[in-house]
Amino acid sequence: NAGVTQTPKFQVLKTGQSMTLQCAQDMNHEYMSWYRQDPGMGLRLIHYSVGAGITDQGEVPNGYNVSRSTTEDFPLRLLSAAPSQTSVYFCASSSSYNSPLHFGNGTRLTVT
Amino acid sequence: AQRVTQPEKLLSVFKGAPVELKCNYSYSGSPELFWYVQYSRQRLQLLLRHISRESIKGFTADLNKGETSFHLKKPFAQEEDSAMYYCARYNFNKFYFGSGTKLNVKP
Repeated sequence: NAGVTQTPKFQVLKTGQSMTLQCAQDMNHEYMSWYRQDPGMGLRLIHYSVGAGITDQGEVPNGYNVSRSTTEDFPLRLLSAAPSQTSVYFCASSSSYNSPLHFGNGTRLTVT
Repeated sequence: AQRVTQPEKLLSVFKGAPVELKCNYSYSGSPELFWYVQYSRQRLQLLLRHISRESIKGFTADLNKGETSFHLKKPFAQEEDSAMYYCARYNFNKFYFGSGTKLNVKP
């Protein structure tokens, strides 16, 4: 099992550009989530999904969209990147809502 | 608002010394609490969760509802314990993380 796979590992965007961060898991986990990690602020939940076709907002959802068309994939879309979205992004999944999270390796995003 | 507070950004101890990483949470019912660890160049991973009541790599954490704390302890720190530690709380489909404590164990 590959676990949780995130692509790309690094990305540089210009303000206003759009992009999608990919996240895939091969553990048949129902719960998937996206976090951003900023210095001194820990991890903050952006969006989450409790199953295919179901998504909801986390603590910091503004500027991000998600969809969950399959159990395996949970992409995060930035429609119009802003410098404030410069961060490290982590995707995580778990077998049920309160089970321990399995994390991806992260995507380091820089918006100039 | 759900809050998880880790008051120390950096904790430095010598090898063999006891270590305690502090975590406090805002009170709300019965909390489900976790400690996650990120070693250098590795992905975040679960260290332990309070309902398991187990010891992982010599670490333990006791839930104190009166003090709303879930401090992580180890009696004798090892150099390989150097890492970033995050306390997290689960509540209604969401995980809330503290800001993290970097543990540096000196030889």
